[in-house]
Amino acid sequence: SQKIEQNSEALNIQEGKTATLTCNYTNYSPAYLQWYRQDPGRGPVFLLLIRENEKEKRKERLKVTFDTTLKQSLFHITASQPADSATYLCALGQGGYNKLIFGAGTRLAVHP
Amino acid sequence: DSGVTQTPKHLITATGQRVTLRCSPRSGDLSVYWYQQSLDQGLQFLIQYYNGEERAKGNILERFSAQQFPDLHSELNLSSLELGDSALYFCASSEGTGVSYGYTFGSGTRLTVV
Repeated sequence: SQKIEQNSEALNIQEGKTATLTCNYTNYSPAYLQWYRQDPGRGPVFLLLIRENEKEKRKERLKVTFDTTLKQSLFHITASQPADSATYLCALGQGGYNKLIFGAGTRLAVHP
Repeated sequence: DSGVTQTPKHLITATGQRVTLRCSPRSGDLSVYWYQQSLDQGLQFLIQYYNGEERAKGNILERFSAQQFPDLHSELNLSSLELGDSALYFCASSEGTGVSYGYTFGSGTRLTVV
């Protein structure tokens, strides 16, 4: 069955360092991959979308890579700040379908 | 404020009851999506409407139903409620249909079934 795996353990890093979060998937051929940020008790906020034919996408301090051979996406936050502390969700969608399927998310904690 | 409005924010009801959750999409968005988020399940896709028509269905229970009205707002009806239905229910909207658009989520309705 289709599976999306994000590290369930929280990622703790020091302010100023680069945070790298991983999203792996199996039994799936997504045409699009999206990353969202979610704060406790709030709705997810869209951050970035990357297509299957794109290797990398950047937006300010954020960078996403998409490797369809490894079936993996990496999400990087450079020069991380305590305000970046949140849960980050990856979501996959197949072309022609209207379902965006979410991973369980990884909690990031940036310490001063 | 994301532009997606969900009401009510909190709802406490008894088992066996029926409730209606309401969602107004962001201005200009034609698609509405409903998701359920519980602690052990993560975000689960329920159903999608585009300009009034149902376009995709997830693992939505038969006790749940939804519709999108001509003014594009949507309602999710949950009936014969069980304790396990307690969760955060999110509505999201997007300009078009399909997964090539980023979704804008509302702040959710927290449903507690007692």
